[in-house]
Amino acid sequence: NAGVTQTPKFQVLKTGQSMTLQCAQDMNHNSMYWYRQDPGMGLRLIYYSASEGTTDKGEVPNGYNVSRLNKREFSLRLESAAPSQTSVYFCASSAVKVRGLAFYEQYFGPGTRLTVT
Amino acid sequence: SQQGEEDPQALSIQEGENATMNCSYKTSINNLQWYRQNSGRGLVHLILIRSNEREKHSGRLRVTLDTSKKSSSLLITASRAADTASYFCATDHSIQGAQKLVFGQGTRLTINP
Repeated sequence: NAGVTQTPKFQVLKTGQSMTLQCAQDMNHNSMYWYRQDPGMGLRLIYYSASEGTTDKGEVPNGYNVSRLNKREFSLRLESAAPSQTSVYFCASSAVKVRGLAFYEQYFGPGTRLTVT
Repeated sequence: SQQGEEDPQALSIQEGENATMNCSYKTSINNLQWYRQNSGRGLVHLILIRSNEREKHSGRLRVTLDTSKKSSSLLITASRAADTASYFCATDHSIQGAQKLVFGQGTRLTINP
């Protein structure tokens, strides 16, 4: 099992360019997440998908869009990149929580380091 | 923001010593999790403690949770150079569905040989 994979590993964009970050998981998880991590900071949630066919905004969604393509794949799109979006982006997945039952950890990909000039 | 706070922000100790990191949060939680991040890598889950638990152990890790003070601590005993990493607490405030975590800013731990 590869776990959570992300592509690309590194990307440099010019202001105004667009790109899509890809994420896939092979653990049959229902829930998937996109985070950003800025230097010296914890992770902040951009968007998440509780299950296939649903997506919701997290703490910092402005400037991003997502697509839950199928159960395995969850992509993050920057339509018009800005220098403020320079960051490391992490995708994660977890089992979905059913009320009153077990809690689960999240599994993270290796990250995409994005620089916007 | 519900984001938790961790202290210290950085900790440097000698190999073999114990390392303690603290996490505080603002609103009630369902569980609290600790993650480790090696430089340039993704986060790896270490331990999860539920809101009705007070202490949990996993190998050299000991986590405590005090919901009345809204705080948690992570103790790493008999530290090793390989424990050098950043450690993050994450609080789960959700009831069902996607498990949305709120991460602290992390403690950067350096173990000196």
